Amino acid sequence: DGGITQSPKYLFRKEGQNVTLSCEQNLNHDAMYWYRQDPGQGLRLIYYSQIVNDFQKGDIAEGYSVSREKKESFPLTVTSAQKNPTAFYLCASSKGGSAYEQYFGPGTRLTVT
Amino acid sequence: ILNVEQSPQSLHVQEGDSTNFTCSFPSSNFYALHWYRWETAKSPEALFVMTLNGDEKKKGRISATLNTKEGYSYLYIKGSQPEDSATYLCAASIHLSNQAGTALIFGKGTTLSVSS
Repeated sequence: DGGITQSPKYLFRKEGQNVTLSCEQNLNHDAMYWYRQDPGQGLRLIYYSQIVNDFQKGDIAEGYSVSREKKESFPLTVTSAQKNPTAFYLCASSKGGSAYEQYFGPGTRLTVT
Repeated sequence: ILNVEQSPQSLHVQEGDSTNFTCSFPSSNFYALHWYRWETAKSPEALFVMTLNGDEKKKGRISATLNTKEGYSYLYIKGSQPEDSATYLCAASIHLSNQAGTALIFGKGTTLSVSS
């Protein structure tokens, strides 16, 4: 079955540690996205990539980094510079730009203490 | 800055009721409007993507309309069922000069609860 996988589902880290969230898709989509959800907020865009080896900052990129070395993979690193990293993180992919529907993974809930 | 507003924030209806939600967005430089359904413990799932003023799309008992001149979209659910209980997300993008649209900006969602 084609789809998007994110791992792990739950992640716990100590403050000051970097952590990498995995996102893999086998839909052959060019574009991939990372969103963050906080209580009472809409999905907010962290980073997106429209093609391999290229990515752009979203609205809340500070404290995060990404790479897009392969079409199938778009890992997100939450660095120690991110002031409030505890959140629910969703990865998505689409065929291309915003005229195409996005397909979402199951999400990773990160808790930093 | 693109701001997408959804109303109401939450809604509780009885099985069989019809209901509708509103999504408003800046009308200038509009590019695309998306609706997603997000059920508890599942991933958001696309319902509709609309780009043209006057677009109307339908999927079963759910339909959506788009007015890009005034900057709003309505999502309608006819004869609500308990399985329609979910958060409905609206997202919009704007057009940048001669490029494709910007990334999507999401509203906060409307949470629908349908009682049997």
